[in-house]
Amino acid sequence: DAGVTQSPTHLIKTRGQHVTLRCSPISGHKSVSWYQQVLGQGPQFIFQYYEKEERGRGNFPDRFSARQFPNYSSELNVNALLLGDSALYLCASSLGDRAEKLFFGSGTQLSVL
Amino acid sequence: AQSVTQLGSHVSVSEGALVLLRCNYSSSVPPYLFWYVQYPNQGLQLLLKYTSAATLVKGINGFEAEFKKSETSFHLTKPSAHMSDAAEYFCAVTSSGGYNKLIFGAGTRLAVHP
Repeated sequence: DAGVTQSPTHLIKTRGQHVTLRCSPISGHKSVSWYQQVLGQGPQFIFQYYEKEERGRGNFPDRFSARQFPNYSSELNVNALLLGDSALYLCASSLGDRAEKLFFGSGTQLSVL
Repeated sequence: AQSVTQLGSHVSVSEGALVLLRCNYSSSVPPYLFWYVQYPNQGLQLLLKYTSAATLVKGINGFEAEFKKSETSFHLTKPSAHMSDAAEYFCAVTSSGGYNKLIFGAGTRLAVHP
């Protein structure tokens, strides 16, 4: 079975641009969470979606938004990119809405120049 | 608010030596606790988790961790390090409201030398 898949794996953008990151959860998983991992730090929670509804939002500006589709895949959108948005963006899926057993994808490495 | 502190951003051990990675947490309610490992250019892989059952938790690849409520600690150990254990290790705790997100420590990079 396929694990959590994220695309693209690497992305280079310039300040002020917009970016869309994509995530496909493990088959049967209904929850998708997004985390930002800045170099040298631990991952930070951005969003959780369960059954297509937002269940949690971390301390990120409104430039960050996300959605979950009927097939449970998800997109993370970031507008007006800043240099500080450069990070590894991790997607995690789980069966239920709790974080007891998260399965992480390999991430999308975003570089903002 | 919950937080996780990992003592030592870098730990270096010899192959065959004991591995000890330290994690302390703060939480107002009994948490669920986790250790994840991250290899270069990869996502996070769950090593083990504590969910209020046995305080000594065994995980994959010979790792184990002990939950000590009195010390608010959840240190990760392995009796004998292998070269393949070199990676970044993250301790995490679930959020108290809804248990729907993880709060991670800053990570400890483990180096294993011959």
